[in-house]
Amino acid sequence: GNSVTQMEGPVTLSEEAFLTINCTYTATGYPSLFWYVQYPGEGLQLLLKATKADDKGSNKGFEATYRKETTSFHLEKGSVQVSDSAVYFCALSDRDDKIIFGKGTRLHILP
Amino acid sequence: DGGITQSPKYLFRKEGQNVTLSCEQNLNHDAMYWYRQDPGQGLRLIYYSQIVNDFQKGDIAEGYSVSREKKESFPLTVTSAQKNPTAFYLCASSILAGPSGNTIYFGEGSWLTVV
Repeated sequence: GNSVTQMEGPVTLSEEAFLTINCTYTATGYPSLFWYVQYPGEGLQLLLKATKADDKGSNKGFEATYRKETTSFHLEKGSVQVSDSAVYFCALSDRDDKIIFGKGTRLHILP
Repeated sequence: DGGITQSPKYLFRKEGQNVTLSCEQNLNHDAMYWYRQDPGQGLRLIYYSQIVNDFQKGDIAEGYSVSREKKESFPLTVTSAQKNPTAFYLCASSILAGPSGNTIYFGEGSWLTVV
């Protein structure tokens, strides 16, 4: 069946560091891929998405590229801020409209 | 404003009581979902509904019940049969978009604590 695997956290970085959170997936067909962010005590917010191979999703300085050859959708940001501290979830949605989430990666940014 | 509204934000339940969490959306989305999130953990699907008057069990449906009498509303009842109900509950909705899958949007969540 379909699945999403993302790197375990927590990830701790200093402010202005480069961020990568790895996400790989297993799916039949051509799913859509997503990154969600969850701030403490809140629901999940859609951060970015990509619906086909080689698409790049971007928002708030974050980027992720849909790589079908490596079945990956890694999240990157060139210079993180303290306000980026949150939990990040990778997810996929397939033709059956089922949405599969990764387990989440907690990110701590130190000032 | 368009969105998904969950209420209450905080709820306390005594042992043996049923409680109902409300979820309303004005996005005209077809599908609605309920997830449970335990502290420091990922999301687990409780129930989902793709059309009015129809719903499907998710991965952890035992001890929960839902109804979908209106497109906009998908309330979740946590029954006394749910032995460990203390958690953060997230409601979500989406348009059923076809071959590329759909984008899911979340409410702000409801905290349920057993006292």
